[in-house]
Amino acid sequence: EMQLVASGGGLVQPGESLRLSCAASGLTFSDFWMTWVRQTPGKGLEWVADIDRDGNAKYLDSVKGRFTISRDNGKSSMYLQMTSLTAEDTAIYYCARGGFTSSWWWVYWGQGTLVTVSS
Amino acid sequence: DIQMTQSPSTLSAFLGDRVTITCRASRSVSSSLAWYQLKPGRPPKLLIYKASNLYPGVPARFSGSGSGTEFTLTISSLQPDDFATYYCQQFNTYSLTFGGGTKVEIK
Repeated sequence: EMQLVASGGGLVQPGESLRLSCAASGLTFSDFWMTWVRQTPGKGLEWVADIDRDGNAKYLDSVKGRFTISRDNGKSSMYLQMTSLTAEDTAIYYCARGGFTSSWWWVYWGQGTLVTVSS
Repeated sequence: DIQMTQSPSTLSAFLGDRVTITCRASRSVSSSLAWYQLKPGRPPKLLIYKASNLYPGVPARFSGSGSGTEFTLTISSLQPDDFATYYCQQFNTYSLTFGGGTKVEIK
């Protein structure tokens, strides 16, 4: 059975950094695009970033230059390095599995990890 | 970015009611639209992809229609498990964007 487990969330102060992880099992991880989506109190659901099978990435404009998505196919894991965090980044962060050639809609999701940015 | 606008933002309905949620795009997204159901403490659940395709295992009371800039999600007969928040999402153009959500409440 395919499973995604997100971790690494927590309480941080504005300007600090945090690294989220998404561990995948039950699939050939290297075959799939992967995505981070967040759920914020104010905006609802918001796509954050995609990474294709080769490690090429796309980002939401508001996180470009601050967030970096990466993957380690050998560890079946994806990461989101977040820097210069602001209160607007407070959200539940979900990882999701895309398809073989794109990540346009998502069937498989992790359980989410909560990031709170507050002083 | 393509803006997705859902209406209404909140909807109150009785069990058994037919419910329709509208999603409008700021420019055409062709049929590149998905619908999700979100409940507290759970990740989103895919209901519909490519505007009108019911994802396997999703009850047939859910249906999607539309293309271009206007889309609808219909629940033909509201069931207790359907009280949740629903989101549309376009995947025609990056950045991928969601609507603001429609909360379906018990009347």
